[in-house]
Formats: sequence, C-alpha cells, structure tokens
Amino acid sequence: DAMVIQNPRYQVTQFGKPVTLSCSQTLNHNVMYWYQQKSSQAPKLLFHYYDKDFNNEADTPDNFQSRRPNTSFCFLDIRSPGLGDAAMYLCATSTRTGWSTEAFFGQGTRLTVV
Amino acid sequence: GQNIDQPTEMTATEGAIVQINCTYQTSGFNGLFWYQQHAGEAPTFLSYNVLDGLEEKGRFSSFLSRSKGYSYLLLKELQMKDSASYLCAVAGNTPLVFGKGTRLSVIA
Repeated sequence: DAMVIQNPRYQVTQFGKPVTLSCSQTLNHNVMYWYQQKSSQAPKLLFHYYDKDFNNEADTPDNFQSRRPNTSFCFLDIRSPGLGDAAMYLCATSTRTGWSTEAFFGQGTRLTVV
Repeated sequence: GQNIDQPTEMTATEGAIVQINCTYQTSGFNGLFWYQQHAGEAPTFLSYNVLDGLEEKGRFSSFLSRSKGYSYLLLKELQMKDSASYLCAVAGNTPLVFGKGTRLSVIA
C-alpha cells in the first residue's frame, strides 16, 4: 500500500550527538511536514516543504534542520540533541498547500536522548 | 494565531455514546479535522468539516459551527478499541494546528 514510512521507529542518541530521522512516501504528495510531539501534548509543527520550498516555523529552534532531496524523501537533522528534544517525531504528507487537505502520517520515530 | 481547546480526559462505558468537544480561534479557516491517535502510534484521520453541520461516518460523527468556533466528535456504540486520544486540528492560513487531544478511556 502507498504510505508514509519513518525510520527508525525508535532512536536513542547521546546528548549533543547529531542524529538524523528519515521519512519516505509513496503517495507522490507535494507537501511534507515534520511535527514534534511530546508526551500528552499536541503535535507541534516544526517545518514543512511544498516541493522544494522550505517553510520554517518561527519558533522552531536552529538546532533542527531539514532536507528534502527529492519528492519521496525528507530528513530531520538534530544537530546537537538536548534532553528536551526527546519526543515522538511525526512526518506527514498532503497533496497541496490548500490546508483543507487531509494529512497522512507516518508511524513516527520516538527519540530518546541519553 | 490559533488556539484550540479540548478536554484533557474523558471516560465512557462500552456500548455508550460520548461527545468530545473542541473550541477554536483561528486566523482564516479552511476546515477542522479530527484524528484518532492510539498510544505510541501516529494520528489517523477520522473526519473533516468545512461547512456547518453534521458529518456522519459509521459510528463516528463530527459537527461544526463556524460562527461559534465549535466542533464535536460523537462516538456511538463505544468499543474497547476506541480507547485512544482524539485530536482536534484546524486548518487556517497555516498548516494544521493540533489541540492537545482528549484521552478517552472506554471501560466495561
């Protein structure tokens, strides 16, 4: 089935050690999003791409970067993870930036920082 | 900006009906979504409302009043597997903004 795939499902990284989370999609959607979700909190949008156009949320820390080398793949890079960055990271896609379209989510990557 | 409020937790009995409310304030409005999220899993789409009124889909219905900035999700014939968080999300002039979710516990 066409879907949004995130790897790995669980990631453990050391404090301050760069880490990359990956997301791929077979839906051929234009838009890809990264959300951060901490325990019992709402998913918080970090950034999104419309094709190659990158849109960073104003309150996303500089520690978070993203790359989208092609339509299918998107990466989240955390340059120097802190304990406060432990969270579930959700990748999602949608067909266009008319925000009325449904977002399809991957299974998420749960990041632990030790 | 956008602000979304929903109750933190609810408990209901198997076979019963439960209504989960959501109020929102948004700049621009392009629709309201409800997502279901089981613990440790990704959100999955339940419903979308952009016009006032009730949308019914099987055991799940969603209602919207744009003038009141209000929506609810109605779950009928509750099953144990309906125990999950239910997230209200608003599409405005920005990508989806989510509420904190309502954790629903279904008890026997």
